[in-house]
Amino acid sequence: GQQVMQIPQYQHVQEGEDFTTYCNSSTTLSNIQWYKQRPGGHPVFLIQLVKSGEVKKQKRLTFQFGEAKKNSSLHITATQTTDVGTYFCAGPRDKIIFGKGTRLHILP
Amino acid sequence: DTAVSQTPKYLVTQMGNDKSIKCEQNLGHDTMYWYKQDSKKFLKIMFSYNNKELIINETVPNRFSPKSPDKAHLNLHINSLELGDSAVYFCASSQGTGPGNTIYFGEGSWLTVV
Repeated sequence: GQQVMQIPQYQHVQEGEDFTTYCNSSTTLSNIQWYKQRPGGHPVFLIQLVKSGEVKKQKRLTFQFGEAKKNSSLHITATQTTDVGTYFCAGPRDKIIFGKGTRLHILP
Repeated sequence: DTAVSQTPKYLVTQMGNDKSIKCEQNLGHDTMYWYKQDSKKFLKIMFSYNNKELIINETVPNRFSPKSPDKAHLNLHINSLELGDSAVYFCASSQGTGPGNTIYFGEGSWLTVV
């Protein structure tokens, strides 16, 4: 069946360090979305990638879509305490399937 | 204005009880969803409706019954609650069902079964 795998499941980083989460699909994706969920909150849409090899930036966040459209990554440069939360990738095929998320914890 | 609103936000109930969670969206979207998020934060789709028609029904116990009276509302009724039903239930909506549709989540309903 369709799967979207996300690693790592947890990540602790010192404030100011970089962070990367990876998303891998067993099948080619038409596009991929990224969501962020703050502790105690609900998932909020961050971005969508559509084209093979696409790279998009949002301030300190860099999103990439692989050439084969089977993997994606989210990189945060110089993490801040406001980056704490769980980051989900979601891969649409006939329905949107969420990865299991990467929980980011920032050490002050 | 809250785009996707669900009630109640918190619900503590005993095993065996029946409970409902209500959801409404004012975004004019055609598609609505129920997701379950367990203690490990896994976000799993349960149901999806498009224009009041059920289009996704994952392997969910039939104690869970969604109802969509109109395309702006999707309620979730749970019969004979079990301890394992404790989770956060998110209602969500999107413009359509195809790839590329952004999903807008409600704030969640924290269900605790004791």
